[in-house]
Amino acid sequence: QKEVEQNSGPLSVPEGAIASLNCTYSDRGSQSFFWYRQYSGKSPELIMSIYSNGDKEDGRFTAQLNKASQYVSLLIRDSQPSDSATYLCAVRDNDYKLSFGAGTTVTVRA
Amino acid sequence: GAGVSQSPRYKVAKRGQDVALRCDPISGHVSLFWYQQALGQGPEFLTYFQNEAQLDKSGLPSDRFFAERPEGSVSTLKIQRTQQEDSAVYLCASSLDSRSYEQYFGPGTRLTVT
Repeated sequence: QKEVEQNSGPLSVPEGAIASLNCTYSDRGSQSFFWYRQYSGKSPELIMSIYSNGDKEDGRFTAQLNKASQYVSLLIRDSQPSDSATYLCAVRDNDYKLSFGAGTTVTVRA
Repeated sequence: GAGVSQSPRYKVAKRGQDVALRCDPISGHVSLFWYQQALGQGPEFLTYFQNEAQLDKSGLPSDRFFAERPEGSVSTLKIQRTQQEDSAVYLCASSLDSRSYEQYFGPGTRLTVT
């Protein structure tokens, strides 16, 4: 059973602060890593993908990958109320299917 | 361009009824996936198609679940003799091809079995 674990949350941060989300995975063969944002009652929306060790920045989002530690993180800088959502970590191995964590709910306080 | 679409968006079924859920993937996307999302959980894989071929159905919870994609575009997930535990959001995702790592999700169908 491939497992993906996320910090349980909920995570509450003030507007303008950095939100830090963590994810660990059990399958060392995993090759591709994704962060999806899911607003309440909506479908998951892909916001970041990362395939190699290190950092990847896209606007206010930074994904970090450490395959040796089997760890992926997402940083949201300058958090806005519109960032309030559940963030899902997803992992893909050499295969095609995604394994998801249960998600971390983020609330940005104005 | 248009994203993944699903219909119906909401479905209420009485226990024992059959339901059919439809997915229209992004035009030209070869790979299509169905996931099931229970409340408060992440999506869980059900089945995968490459064109019209169902290459993996290992996540289907029982033989009451059946999926097809006869012409390699639209897909239908059918659930026979629905049970209360089938209540969930059913998400469809597509990707450009089997080598593409990025899957894009549709809005989902929320199924409630009473």
